[in-house]
Amino acid sequence: SAVISQKPSRDICQRGTSLTIQCQVDSQVTMMFWYRQQPGQSLTLIATANQGSEATYESGFVIDKFPISRPNLTFSTLTVSNMSPEDSSIYLCSGDDRGNTEAFFGQGTRLTVV
Amino acid sequence: AQSVAQPEDQVNVAEGNPLTVKCTYSVSGNPYLFWYVQYPNRGLQFLLKYITGDNLVKGSYGFEAEFNKSQTSFHLKKPSALVSDSALYFCAVRDIPSGTDKLIFGTGTRLQVFP
Repeated sequence: SAVISQKPSRDICQRGTSLTIQCQVDSQVTMMFWYRQQPGQSLTLIATANQGSEATYESGFVIDKFPISRPNLTFSTLTVSNMSPEDSSIYLCSGDDRGNTEAFFGQGTRLTVV
Repeated sequence: AQSVAQPEDQVNVAEGNPLTVKCTYSVSGNPYLFWYVQYPNRGLQFLLKYITGDNLVKGSYGFEAEFNKSQTSFHLKKPSALVSDSALYFCAVRDIPSGTDKLIFGTGTRLQVFP
């Protein structure tokens, strides 16, 4: 199966700053998704990263706070903007070819905002 | 709407004993069901899936799952648990009817295998 390299693996950031997380897939994938996960909890979908067009955001998430890019079929970034301590979480990206194929995940980025 | 439920927050089992992690689903149409495992400080790893065919699906690390249409269940099983199986397990269903194909995850079950 394909492999996603996600970086950084962790970071500690000052409130009010922004952090960009990158995901690189070793092969082309139809879809890429971004999730947020509190430690030990389930995954909450932030948005679907669409290649060549604006991302599709889930309820409660907005582009100004979580701008997403997907310039090609192997790469995507998520920016967490104007961070506050409430943004402290694990952020995960996944690649997915839809239908009966399984999704695969990056290792996650553990973000702490102080 | 598509959904999955994992009724147990935690399952404890002794090493060498069989384990079961429960999952029930609610879907429109045919279910595309998945199990993932997450070890500490790691991303999710795919274990197995049910799309169609045999109700007993075999996956990675000796895990298997049984699809039961009448009970709308897809329980994860392993005949003999290992301490290294201790992790967080997620059941998921693919949201086909919405046209998004996104995965909808259960709340997760923490498996603790004791020596």
